[in-house]
Amino acid sequence: GQQVMQIPQYQHVQEGEDFTTYCNSSTTLSNIQWYKQRPGGHPVFLIQLVKSGEVKKQKRLTFQFGEAKKNSSLHITATQTTDVGTYFCAGPTSGTYKYIFGTGTRLKVLA
Amino acid sequence: NAGVTQTPKFRVLKTGQSMTLLCAQDMNHEYMYWYRQDPGMGLRLIHYSVGEGTTAKGEVPDGYNVSRLKKQNFLLGLESAAPSQTSVYFCASNLQGAGTDTQYFGPGTRLTVL
Repeated sequence: GQQVMQIPQYQHVQEGEDFTTYCNSSTTLSNIQWYKQRPGGHPVFLIQLVKSGEVKKQKRLTFQFGEAKKNSSLHITATQTTDVGTYFCAGPTSGTYKYIFGTGTRLKVLA
Repeated sequence: NAGVTQTPKFRVLKTGQSMTLLCAQDMNHEYMYWYRQDPGMGLRLIHYSVGEGTTAKGEVPDGYNVSRLKKQNFLLGLESAAPSQTSVYFCASNLQGAGTDTQYFGPGTRLTVL
């Protein structure tokens, strides 16, 4: 079945350093979404990418969708303590109404 | 506008007991989902619904049942709880279905089965 993997599983960075998480799908995705989950909280939608090669920015966050639409990345510039949490990518399974979530990357930012 | 709410927030069950988790949304969304999240893992889809009166199986449906009698409510039932069902359960909803728009998540229900 379709799988969505994320690397790394964990990342500890010093405040001010950059951070990147990668998402890889076993199948081509029509689009991809990114969510953030704070410790003890629930996932919150960040962004959706639809087009091959698409790049979107939200302040210090940059999201990319691969040319083959099978991978994506989230890059955070100059991390802050407010960036702490787990970042998930999610993609729809072909021909269904189901999302497959990635395994997540847990980010810790050391002040 | 409360968004997505879940009841209860916490629950402890003994093995073999049954319970129902309630998810309610006030956004008039057609699609609703139940996920479970285990420590250090992502979200796994249990069941979902594409509209009132419809339900379908997700990735890990065994041991769970669901009902969507009203558009705004999606119930998740555990008929005979097992320790393997200890998890955090999240409900989510969206307007147009997978891959087309944002999923809105509830705050979660933390379930422990002893």
